[in-house]
Amino acid sequence: EDKVVQSPLSLVVHEGDTVTLNCSYEVTNFRSLLWYKQEKKAPTFLFMLTSSGIEKKSGRLSSILDKKELFSILNITATQTGDSAVYLCAVGVGGNTGKLIFGQGTTLQVKP
Amino acid sequence: NAGVTQTPKFRVLKTGQSMTLLCAQDMNHEYMYWYRQDPGMGLRLIHYSVGEGTTAKGEVPDGYNVSRLKKQNFLLGLESAAPSQTSVYFCASSSRGGGYVEQYFGPGTRLTVT
Repeated sequence: EDKVVQSPLSLVVHEGDTVTLNCSYEVTNFRSLLWYKQEKKAPTFLFMLTSSGIEKKSGRLSSILDKKELFSILNITATQTGDSAVYLCAVGVGGNTGKLIFGQGTTLQVKP
Repeated sequence: NAGVTQTPKFRVLKTGQSMTLLCAQDMNHEYMYWYRQDPGMGLRLIHYSVGEGTTAKGEVPDGYNVSRLKKQNFLLGLESAAPSQTSVYFCASSSRGGGYVEQYFGPGTRLTVT
């Protein structure tokens, strides 16, 4: 059975801290790994990773994929209260369905 | 562009009642999806569609039906609501399949079944 597991499930930090969110997967027909940020409403897309070892960056956020060990990490440096959200990891599978398999999510709270 | 919109935003049903959730997208996407989100369980796929007139079951399809009569709309129906269907429902769309494209999400519908 395909599965995506995120850790930790929740995290509380203070502004300025650096956090690392983890996502491991066991998925047949793996094609890509995606990160989303969810603040109260719709998940919004952050990154898609398809190749091992190539870091994707957007401002203070960065992510990398290890296809050999089957995991990805999302780093957030110099956290701000606006980073408080649920971070979702998902795996895109091959075939015509376009399906994504989601992990449980990590709830991040950044305190002032 | 509005992107993906969902109607209604909130709804309270009594056990046994029926309702339809409407999802609309203006991005000309072929693929559309319905998910439910429950605490600690991430997003679980209910049904999806790879094009107008097509539907297929996802991970948790029992108790739900869907229709895709127009490319831009994807309807999710609950024929006889149960308390276990209390959840937040998200619709999403994508331009194609293949596993290399992101999905765009609507704002969600919070449904409570009493």
